[in-house]
Amino acid sequence: LAKTTQPISMDSYEGQEVNITCSHNNIATNDYITWYQQFPSQGPRFIIQGYKTKVTNEVASLFIPADRKSSTLSLPRVSLSDTAVYYCLSGTYKYIFGTGTRLKVLA
Amino acid sequence: DAMVIQNPRYQVTQFGKPVTLSCSQTLNHNVMYWYQQKSSQAPKLLFHYYDKDFNNEADTPDNFQSRRPNTSFCFLDIRSPGLGDAAMYLCATSSGQGSGEKLFFGSGTQLSVL
Repeated sequence: LAKTTQPISMDSYEGQEVNITCSHNNIATNDYITWYQQFPSQGPRFIIQGYKTKVTNEVASLFIPADRKSSTLSLPRVSLSDTAVYYCLSGTYKYIFGTGTRLKVLA
Repeated sequence: DAMVIQNPRYQVTQFGKPVTLSCSQTLNHNVMYWYQQKSSQAPKLLFHYYDKDFNNEADTPDNFQSRRPNTSFCFLDIRSPGLGDAAMYLCATSSGQGSGEKLFFGSGTQLSVL
C-alpha cells in the first residue's frame, strides 16, 4: 500500500503562502494524490486532488513533479482559520493515512 | 446537506458493555469505511466494505465488528469496549470507481469508555 510521509508540524503567519510537501515513493501508476484538511473534532474534508503537473482550485494548488514521488500542497495567503492538520493520501479503494502535518497559523 | 451522517455524535459506554455506532450515506456510494482516530493521531483504517464485500485490516482487533445491511447504512460494533477504545470513530464513503475518487467523511462519533 502507498505510504506517505509529511513534516509533523509547521508554523506560519497570516498572509503568508504555505507549502506542505508529501513523499509517496511507492505510489502506484494509476493512483491520484489527494489532500484533506481536518479541524479538531471533525472529519477530514477534501481540499484538492491531482495526478501530475499542477492543479489549482479556489482554495489551494497542488504541484506534482514528473516522477510523482512527491507532491506539494500550496495554500496562498493563509489565515488563522487555516490552522488544521493536513493529510495527503494516495491509493485505490483502501486509504491509509500518514502522520499528517499540523499547521499553525499565527497572527 | 449532510451526505455522510454519523449517530450519535457523542457516545458514552461502560467498560465491557457492547456499543454500536451507526453511519448512513445519501451518496449511493459503493464503499464505506470505518476509521479510528485517537487524540493527536491520524485516522487508522479498521475495515471497509466494497458493496457487501467486507475487508478487514490485519491489525484490527476481533473486538471490532461491522455490518452493512444495505447500501446506505453501515454499523460499527464494539463487543467489549476497553479503556483503550476511547476515540473518535469516523465513517467515510467513496464511489468505488477506483483511481481519482475522493473520500467523504462524517462528523464522527466520539466514544468515551468509563
